Amino acid sequence: TQLLEQSPQFLSIQEGENLTVYCNSSSVFSSLQWYRQEPGEGPVLLVTVVTGGEVKKLKRLTFQFGDARKDSSLHITAAQPGDTGLYLCAGARQAGTALIFGKGTTLSVSS
Amino acid sequence: DAGVIQSPRHEVTEMGQEVTLRCKPISGHDYLFWYRQTMMRGLELLIYFNNNVPIDDSGMPEDRFSAKMPNASFSTLKIQPSEPRDSAVYFCASSVGKGNYGYTFGSGTRLTVV
Repeated sequence: TQLLEQSPQFLSIQEGENLTVYCNSSSVFSSLQWYRQEPGEGPVLLVTVVTGGEVKKLKRLTFQFGDARKDSSLHITAAQPGDTGLYLCAGARQAGTALIFGKGTTLSVSS
Repeated sequence: DAGVIQSPRHEVTEMGQEVTLRCKPISGHDYLFWYRQTMMRGLELLIYFNNNVPIDDSGMPEDRFSAKMPNASFSTLKIQPSEPRDSAVYFCASSVGKGNYGYTFGSGTRLTVV
């Protein structure tokens, strides 16, 4: 059983469309992080959310942490081909413990 | 900083052979993590160290896997003997301090056991 469930698993869209990917759990996390991974490379940190209900924006990307700190979402506005990649959410059950990763959402944006 | 450096980038070995993967974390980072990534299981934590001391090795699959961190700038993950089911991409990551700090990952080692 995966502790962090991500959906959808795959997403293929056209340039300019909006999308949302989800990261859900039945467990509470002290923080959640989002990473983006390109083929042949390691994941790269996008954002960390710590407070329940927190919303962070990174250009066209909006991240939200659920009020109960059990879920998170990533919304991309006007997707571009450069957004293509594997988006991973990761959570720490307690501060200082190792991150647990979801399996990720593979996003493909075509022009 | 050059980031987290892993070697080799690719390794092809025969079943039963010993494999050693290497990692140099970012200077000043006191946590080091080894993860394994497969299509089926995603990123799985194998072991992590804090100040060169192993903290949690519950993710190590079996006794064939071992990891060491002899100093703050070097860690190894060894598989002996290797099996085809060990084929995966192995990532090393490091982070600074406790709390909710992000991890910096290396580029990974793609291991194929034939």
